[in-house]
Amino acid sequence: DAGITQSPRYKITETGRQVTLMCHQTWSHSYMFWYRQDLGHGLRLIYYSAAADITDKGEVPDGYVVSRSKTENFPLTLESATRSQTSVYFCASSVLAGYNEQFFGPGTRLTVL
Amino acid sequence: EDKVVQSPLSLVVHEGDTVTLNCSYEVTNFRSLLWYKQEKKAPTFLFMLTSSGIEKKSGRLSSILDKKELFSILNITATQTGDSAIYLCAVEAHKGGGNKLTFGTGTQLKVEL
Repeated sequence: DAGITQSPRYKITETGRQVTLMCHQTWSHSYMFWYRQDLGHGLRLIYYSAAADITDKGEVPDGYVVSRSKTENFPLTLESATRSQTSVYFCASSVLAGYNEQFFGPGTRLTVL
Repeated sequence: EDKVVQSPLSLVVHEGDTVTLNCSYEVTNFRSLLWYKQEKKAPTFLFMLTSSGIEKKSGRLSSILDKKELFSILNITATQTGDSAIYLCAVEAHKGGGNKLTFGTGTQLKVEL
């Protein structure tokens, strides 16, 4: 499908397990982003990537790992999930670094028990 | 630390009413301010504002930015039930390594018949 997709859409896991959330975009956008959305906090940036093999931390990176071996994919891994990582995760992409909109994926609702 | 504050947090109006949503910000190296609409899925882009005093308009929605007073407003006239959503304000700022968005917590708008 064209656009930006995320998988899985819903995930329930247990504390301590490793979880990987996938993000795939078909536009060849250079920039990709991972956000988490929680009540009272809005959207907060976890990690972002300017291009393949270039990643950088956002506002709340602790407990997360990203990689970007291909332009179109930007997986987010929770190395050892904690209850505080229960959230809705959005992936986004944009053509340029600035002065342009970010396009968001449909989100992944993650519950850590 | 960059800060984006939206008000009100929520409001309920009747169809046909006009609403004004507020967004104030404190960021260093401001680049642009963006408005998104979020229904029960991913945020979708509404406007990007970079210059003070220039109104952006799309149908019944309009927005303006005041870079001196550091705020923006989003107006919706003749509201419809389909306008019910969370409206997110985000400010783009240049940081070492690129530009980043800081989101407000959003304003939840409910339009009733």
